[in-house]
Amino acid sequence: GQNIDQPTEMTATEGAIVQINCTYQTSGFNGLFWYQQHAGEAPTFLSYNVLDGLEEKGRFSSFLSRSKGYSYLLLKELQMKDSASYLCAVRAPYSGAGSYQLTFGKGTKLSVIP
Amino acid sequence: NAGVMQNPRHLVRRRGQEARLRCSPMKGHSHVYWYRQLPEEGLKFMVYLQKENIIDESGMPKERFSAEFPKEGPSILRIQQVVRGDSAAYFCASSRLDDPTDTQYFGPGTRLTVL
Repeated sequence: GQNIDQPTEMTATEGAIVQINCTYQTSGFNGLFWYQQHAGEAPTFLSYNVLDGLEEKGRFSSFLSRSKGYSYLLLKELQMKDSASYLCAVRAPYSGAGSYQLTFGKGTKLSVIP
Repeated sequence: NAGVMQNPRHLVRRRGQEARLRCSPMKGHSHVYWYRQLPEEGLKFMVYLQKENIIDESGMPKERFSAEFPKEGPSILRIQQVVRGDSAAYFCASSRLDDPTDTQYFGPGTRLTVL
């Protein structure tokens, strides 16, 4: 089965740094994705990790430890527009059906306050 | 460079009616995925299609739901005889055949309300 856990809500101050954690227990692993979703809008791709370590992209970084089933998304220099839900998603290994379906956590709602 | 397009953005149906949701993938993308998002829940995979083929429909209810991706035109998710429990946001995503990361890019969703 697939189980992905992330905190439901977080609050952080404008200009600060916030770390959003994601733990997963899945029957297989073929990559982890982070998406940002503003209320009523499409999830927007942020980052992809398939090997252990840190991937940096501007103000956003994502870390993966496959042995621990753990990832985090790090947001630096927070801005008000970063207030959104952040979705952690794990992709299962290629299956006989040829599917690359993603399994999503419920999302972490981040509120950035002045 | 247009992203994934979905229409309608909002759809209201009465119980027992049919709902048709459309998705046009990004230019150059040949893989389409449909997901459903219930309030306070994560996105749930429904079906994965390539042109004229359903590759994986393991997440789609066996009854009343169907999907297609014809050679020409958008992908269609069809829900027959809708019930209140079908009220949700339905998202379509697409990916490129030659993308080694197979990243999925999402459309804005269709919010279905069943009265």
